[in-house]
Amino acid sequence: GNSVTQMEGPVTLSEEAFLTINCTYTATGYPSLFWYVQYPGEGLQLLLKATKADDKGSNKGFEATYRKETTSFHLEKGSVQVSDSAVYFCALSDQNYGGSQGNLIFGKGTKLSVKP
Amino acid sequence: KAGVTQTPRYLIKTRGQQVTLSCSPISGHRSVSWYQQTPGQGLQFLFEYFSETQRNKGNFPGRFSGRQFSNSRSEMNVSTLELGDSALYLCASSSTNRGDEQYFGPGTRLTVT
Repeated sequence: GNSVTQMEGPVTLSEEAFLTINCTYTATGYPSLFWYVQYPGEGLQLLLKATKADDKGSNKGFEATYRKETTSFHLEKGSVQVSDSAVYFCALSDQNYGGSQGNLIFGKGTKLSVKP
Repeated sequence: KAGVTQTPRYLIKTRGQQVTLSCSPISGHRSVSWYQQTPGQGLQFLFEYFSETQRNKGNFPGRFSGRQFSNSRSEMNVSTLELGDSALYLCASSSTNRGDEQYFGPGTRLTVT
């Protein structure tokens, strides 16, 4: 079945450091890919998305590029802030040969802590 | 536009009881999905409704059920609660059921004692 694998955390960085969170996927068809962020005590917020190969999603300084050849969607940010501390989830739109199933499949999440 | 709302935000129930959770999607969104989030299993898909029809279901026992109303509001019900049902239940809405982005509510934290 379709699946998402994320690098395990936690990840601890100093403010202004470069961030990479790795995400790879296995999918039938051509799923859309997403990054969501969850702050403590809250639901998930959509951070960025990409709907086809070579698309780059970006938002709030975060970027991720849909790489079909490596089945990856790594999240990057050039300079993290303390306020970026949260759990980040990579997700894909579930697919089969009939198309989208309407639900998302999530990775396990990566906890990011940014120290001042 | 108002976001996805879920009620109640917190619930404490006793094993064997049943519970109903409610979700109001973003205005105009016709697809509502439910997910269970636990520390051990992460985010797991429960079911998805589109235009009052259940279109997709995850791998959960029949104790978990749901429905969607004509105004797109959705409820999920868990009967005969077990300790392992303690989780954050998240509702998400989308404008379509074709794999577009989903917008999540704050969740309902269910504790079963």
